[in-house]
Amino acid sequence: DIQVTQSPSSLSASVGDRVTISCRASQSISKYLNWYQQKLGKAPKLLIYAASSLQSGVPSRFSGSGSGTDFTLTISSLQPEDCATYYCQQSYSTTFGQGTIVEIK
Amino acid sequence: QLQLQESGPGLVKPSETLPLFCSVSGGSISSGAYSWDWIRQPPGKGLEWIANIDYSGSTSYNPSLKSRVTISVDTSENQFSLKLTSVTAADTAVYYCVRRGVIRGDLYYFDYWGQGTLVTVSS
Repeated sequence: DIQVTQSPSSLSASVGDRVTISCRASQSISKYLNWYQQKLGKAPKLLIYAASSLQSGVPSRFSGSGSGTDFTLTISSLQPEDCATYYCQQSYSTTFGQGTIVEIK
Repeated sequence: QLQLQESGPGLVKPSETLPLFCSVSGGSISSGAYSWDWIRQPPGKGLEWIANIDYSGSTSYNPSLKSRVTISVDTSENQFSLKLTSVTAADTAVYYCVRRGVIRGDLYYFDYWGQGTLVTVSS
């Protein structure tokens, strides 16, 4: 099975900060990687698909990059409503990363 | 707007079978562009994919759960379902039904999620 490992497991940043979350696959997955946001008590929401494509309706401050084994989710200017847990997911064998909790400092 | 709604027992006894249903509204489950999944999340933990089915009944399963899981689709009712046998406390989780949007082959994403239903396994 292909595993995906996220880092950090949690972070705290100020409103307006640039935030990056990393996801590393245990073997090359081309661009077969998606990112989700999950707020407390809610279902996950698709943010980015195919590594870098922004899902319709998602604010442009969210972006994704990478291919092969290393991927990044970037929030260009953190907003209070971005407090959530973020998950990466590889679609070769459908596994999720362990999640990154983003908090406002 | 597509909506998915899970239903099932909130409490199941150990060793029993868990049935879950997902009703799809605002779109047809028979659309060839999509397929349908179950994903679960134990309290305070991460996401685990369980199973997938398309409108024709073609299925795939998480190898770690395959021996206990059956996914099925009822196109006439526009719903799909999950059956998990021999449940234990480790199966306690929020269960989500989800739509899979396929770009090509293994390049896909989960774009619509139900609100989730909490299932507790306890005697």
